[in-house]
Amino acid sequence: AQSVTQLDSHVSVSEGTPVLLRCNYSSSYSPSLFWYVQHPNKGLQLLLKYTSAATLVKGINGFEAEFKKSETSFHLTKPSAHMSDAAEYFCVVSSETGTASKLTFGTGTRLQVTL
Amino acid sequence: ETGVTQTPRHLVMGMTNKKSLKCEQHLGHNAMYWYKQSAKKPLELMFVYSLEERVENNSVPSRFSPECPNSSHLFLHLHTLQPEDSALYLCASSLFFSPNYGYTFGSGTRLTVV
Repeated sequence: AQSVTQLDSHVSVSEGTPVLLRCNYSSSYSPSLFWYVQHPNKGLQLLLKYTSAATLVKGINGFEAEFKKSETSFHLTKPSAHMSDAAEYFCVVSSETGTASKLTFGTGTRLQVTL
Repeated sequence: ETGVTQTPRHLVMGMTNKKSLKCEQHLGHNAMYWYKQSAKKPLELMFVYSLEERVENNSVPSRFSPECPNSSHLFLHLHTLQPEDSALYLCASSLFFSPNYGYTFGSGTRLTVV
């Protein structure tokens, strides 16, 4: 079985300050991990993905995430928040077993960016 | 636009109505998915099609009926829905039947059942 926990349902930061969105996962297999972003009234957009290559993954819009197996974490960071980063962020884990594949989504973290 | 187009964007229907949601992609992807997004809940996978064949059906009530006539189009037929079916319905596609390639999502259809 696999699961993903987003530790904060809501994060508020000031524009220009760092962003940290936390995600912990559990998986019986070597997982692939993703972060998706959803802006209001939009579908989900892939920010970045980890698929067993480099543990520090760089994504779009200046976001990056580090896969830490010992901590079963995949936290999303950005050095300096921008107003346009305000959105809902989803951490996702995938484990492929045989011919089946499955994505498990977290419940989301709403990022608020203030002036 | 992401390359996955969903219509309509908004739909209000009564419990006795029949309606259909449409999803279209011209990305050359071979797998398509229906997800349900309800407030305060994780995304729920409903159906998966790979090469136009249904490969997953996650215990979805029969009042939801998917159809995939070709690799570019996916429909979700709705009939006799319940108010708790009100949600955002998202369509996604991927190059192959593997999420490791990343999913491309549409903007969704906001469904309200009255």
